[in-house]
Amino acid sequence: SAVISQKPSRDICQRGTSLTIQCQVDSQVTMMFWYRQQPGQSLTLIATANQGSEATYESGFVIDKFPISRPNLTFSTLTVSNMSPEDSSIYLCSVAPLATGELFFGEGSRLTVL
Amino acid sequence: QQQVKQSPQSLIVQKGGISIINCAYENTAFDYFPWYQQFPGKGPALLIAIRPDVSEKKEGRFTISFNKSAKQFSLHIMDSQPGDSATYFCAASTLEYGNKLVFGAGTILRVKS
Repeated sequence: SAVISQKPSRDICQRGTSLTIQCQVDSQVTMMFWYRQQPGQSLTLIATANQGSEATYESGFVIDKFPISRPNLTFSTLTVSNMSPEDSSIYLCSVAPLATGELFFGEGSRLTVL
Repeated sequence: QQQVKQSPQSLIVQKGGISIINCAYENTAFDYFPWYQQFPGKGPALLIAIRPDVSEKKEGRFTISFNKSAKQFSLHIMDSQPGDSATYFCAASTLEYGNKLVFGAGTILRVKS
């Protein structure tokens, strides 16, 4: 498995501001993903964070709104830009450290946008 | 084709009973089917997973049953305990799509003591 640390664990933000979420893994991993979980909902993949290249975004998510950095194999950031109340969600970092493809999640970052 | 349909939305089971959650998929390319357990305020935790080369996998009180022809799989929790009360998500992925997981809608399980 992998130990995944996310910061912040929660935050309350004002409309129009941006917040950067950090994800630190205790081992080098090739595959790292960012998911969103809206209140009471399932998990939706935002993007795949690629080391050394631009992130790969899923349909409905764009780089201008959710810029992602992946400077090395143990760290990534997700920024939620120009936030609105609709962005209030839990944002989850996940990694697949094993060849089996098993996906492990961090504790998540709970954002509330006022 | 990328959807995974999960039912029921919520489930109440008596302590000691069997909890059953079902999922169905369309994409026959899916080749990995995990179940995740999520407690309030926590990230999802991998519970058990199966690949289509077997029809059943058991780990302790948790069993996955897999029906490839029907494109369905289910989670059985035997001797359900109040500590099992959580939200359960099924998911599916395929190497073809970079092993990205597609999640079901989730099932809120409550085990009554």
